[in-house]
Amino acid sequence: AAGVIQSPRHLIKEKRETATLKCYPIPRHDTVYWYQQGPGQDPQFLISFYEKMQSDKGSIPDRFSAQQFSDYHSELNMSSLELGDSALYFCASSGNEKLFFGSGTQLSVL
Amino acid sequence: GEDVEQSLFLSVREGDSSVINCTYTDSSSTYLYWYKQEPGAGLQLLTYIFSNMDMKQDQRLTVLLNKKDKHLSLRIADTQTGDSAIYFCAENRDDKIIFGKGTRLHILP
Repeated sequence: AAGVIQSPRHLIKEKRETATLKCYPIPRHDTVYWYQQGPGQDPQFLISFYEKMQSDKGSIPDRFSAQQFSDYHSELNMSSLELGDSALYFCASSGNEKLFFGSGTQLSVL
Repeated sequence: GEDVEQSLFLSVREGDSSVINCTYTDSSSTYLYWYKQEPGAGLQLLTYIFSNMDMKQDQRLTVLLNKKDKHLSLRIADTQTGDSAIYFCAENRDDKIIFGKGTRLHILP
């Protein structure tokens, strides 16, 4: 069965650079979520989209933005990267109130 | 805000049963979930329970739900080395999933 696809799997950036993370949800899932998981932490909700519109916003910094496109894939854009942005970024899509997660993008900011 | 609470560590001997406990916050949560995360890997939906149930069994996994006390537990029978992972309890709150801090399950030989 198709799963949530995220790319890239790993990303290394320097401070003040920008990064773009991509997510391809499970076909026919209408909601996409982004989560951030710091080392040894639980995943924290960042933002979600329902039918290409932003549906909810969590602890997402103003330096970050996201959107969902007409093909339902989503991108998380991160600017002015800081060392503290180093984390595992998960995308999830939902069907019938169950979230299925991608393998995540490990972002390292040096 | 209120947190989903779970103990951080659990050590169990191989072949024994593991019981991971969780206290959640939102009594209106429709579903409650258990996710498994192995080192360096993503979050795998292990099992879930609908809020109008008090038990769900799926092979070696048993989920118990006490809605009155907002208590959720996950029992893994015949624990194997492959069960070594972090287990996150999660609730559906305000149309998003809120996670506990995770319980690290360590398997003793």
